[in-house]
This record gives sequence, C-alpha cells and structure tokens, in this order.
Amino acid sequence: NAGVTQTPKFQVLKTGQSMTLQCAQDMNHNSMYWYRQDPGMGLRLIYYSASEGTTDKGEVPNGYNVSRLNKREFSLRLESAAPSQTSVYFCASRGGTGNQPQHFGDGTRLSIL
Amino acid sequence: DAKTTQPTSMDCAEGRAANLPCNHSTISGNEYVYWYRQIHSQGPQYIIHGLKNNETNEMASLIITEDRKSSTLILPHATLRDTAVYYCIVRVTSGTYKYIFGTGTRLKVLA
Repeated sequence: NAGVTQTPKFQVLKTGQSMTLQCAQDMNHNSMYWYRQDPGMGLRLIYYSASEGTTDKGEVPNGYNVSRLNKREFSLRLESAAPSQTSVYFCASRGGTGNQPQHFGDGTRLSIL
Repeated sequence: DAKTTQPTSMDCAEGRAANLPCNHSTISGNEYVYWYRQIHSQGPQYIIHGLKNNETNEMASLIITEDRKSSTLILPHATLRDTAVYYCIVRVTSGTYKYIFGTGTRLKVLA
C-alpha cells in the first residue's frame, strides 16, 4: 500500500517555465489537498478538492492551478514559475467522514532560478 | 479554526517520556485536536487525534484538559528516531477540513 505518491521528488525550473506536480493516492479517499512549506514554517494550503470533480482555493492559491483528474489523482500546475514559488510541495488525502486525519506524501522539492 | 501555541523547542533524554504541550484556548466544541510530526523534510506523519477524551495508540497518548483549552502529546519512551518537529492542529470537522499549521515544536531526543 503506497499511500500518497508525489512525482517528481526534485525539480529545478527557470523563471517563466511551466510545471505540473503529480499526486496520486491509492486509499480510495475523496478529499485531496496541496500545501506548500517554506523554510522554518508550517504548511500552507494552496488548493483542495473535497471530492472528484470539485476544487477550491486555499490560503495561497495565486500562481497555481489544479486538476482533479479522477478520484486517485490531483495535480498542481505552475503556469509561469517565479522564484517566490521555490518551496517544498506536499499533497495529502483524506477519506471517510468527520474527524478522519489527512495523510501526506513525501513532497516535491521545487527550486526556481 | 482555533489557533494553537506550542513551545519552539524541547529536549528529552532517550528512554524518558516526552511531554509536548499545546495551547488552544479558542477551541470550539466541535473542533478536534490533531498531532503530526515531520522528520527532516519528509511529509507530515499523523500521530493521534481526539475531541475531549484522552486517547492512546501505538505511537503516543493524547491528554486533553477538561476545558479543552490545552492538550499534551506524550511519547512514553522517546528514542532518537522521535527527533522531529511536532505540530498541534485544531480543525473543525466540516467545510474544507483544512489544517492550519503553526511552526510546531522541535523535539530533540538526546542520547
């Protein structure tokens, strides 16, 4: 059981390039989330998807787009990367109802030059 | 979502119990307390959660005060592998189900 899988693990981009971060979960969870973590800080929510076919903005959505491709997959796209988007990106999923916890992937480390 | 306050850092001797406090004085009646930890730069690892009763699992115990304004995560026999940043999160169980992370407590287990 792989849980939440993120690809790639590392990526270096130049300013202005585009990039899609992939996330897949095999736990049959309805909800999926994208967070970013900057040095010395906690995670901040970028976008989330409460169920297949729905997406909503989180705290820091500017510069990002998402696609909930199906129940398993939730991708995050940077259309025109900026140095301020250098960060570690985490995907999470949550199943069940009410108080079930989120489960996180191991992250994508993205550097934008 | 209620905000949480945690000490920036703590040390604990290997083999001893690690007690990590968290204040959440503005917590509402339907808000759960969750604990996660993050080792190095890995993804946050779920530890335990609770509403008002004390909880225990194979990793830790969670003690929530009767007024629910604070809680303590207890690692009963800390090992070097428990060195990590521990996050206390309070989240309402409706709507976005999103977490609001603080900066957490950096626990260092000493040999």
